[in-house]
Amino acid sequence: QKEVEQNSGPLSVPEGAIASLNCTYSDRVSQSFFWYRQYSGKSPELIMSIYSNGDKEDGRFTAQLNKASQYVSLLIRDSQPSDSATYLCAVEIPGNTGKLIFGQGTTLQVKP
Amino acid sequence: DVKVTQSSRYLVKRTGEKVFLECVQDMDHENMFWYRQDPGLGLRLIYFSYDVKMKEKGDIPEGYSVSREKKERFSLILESASTNQTSMYLCASSKGGSGANVLTFGAGSRLTVL
Repeated sequence: QKEVEQNSGPLSVPEGAIASLNCTYSDRVSQSFFWYRQYSGKSPELIMSIYSNGDKEDGRFTAQLNKASQYVSLLIRDSQPSDSATYLCAVEIPGNTGKLIFGQGTTLQVKP
Repeated sequence: DVKVTQSSRYLVKRTGEKVFLECVQDMDHENMFWYRQDPGLGLRLIYFSYDVKMKEKGDIPEGYSVSREKKERFSLILESASTNQTSMYLCASSKGGSGANVLTFGAGSRLTVL
């Protein structure tokens, strides 16, 4: 059974801190990984995609991938109250299927 | 920017009614998807399509059907709505191809079945 696991939270961090969001996946041959942000009442929007082991940085966001450990994470530096949302980890079913399996999401609360 | 438009944001239907949820994308994407999102269950794939007139079942297709008569339009059909189909329905599309499977979502359609 293909699965993507996230801690549902809520994860609470003070403004300006680093928020660390974690995700594990079960299918060892997965190649494509995505982080989406979803504000309450809105649809998910892409923050980052990552395909290779290591870190990928985009502004205040860093995605980290470790395929050997089947682990992908998202770091948010200098967290802002506007970052308060649910963060969804998604993994593409291998074989260039285009189908993504989503974790249940981690709710992040950034307190001023 | 890719735009995915879902025709209805909020719908209220009665048990047994036939329900159509429409989705249109304007960037010539090959792939289109229907997900439903429920608290505690996350996003679950109902159906998807790689091409016109082509469809494949996702993880929870029971009680649903789909239609893709044109590349830009992907419709989700509830033949006989039931209360357990009350949910948020999200349409998404992607370009398709290696490294081009980023999903872009529509705004969602919140369906309540009474």
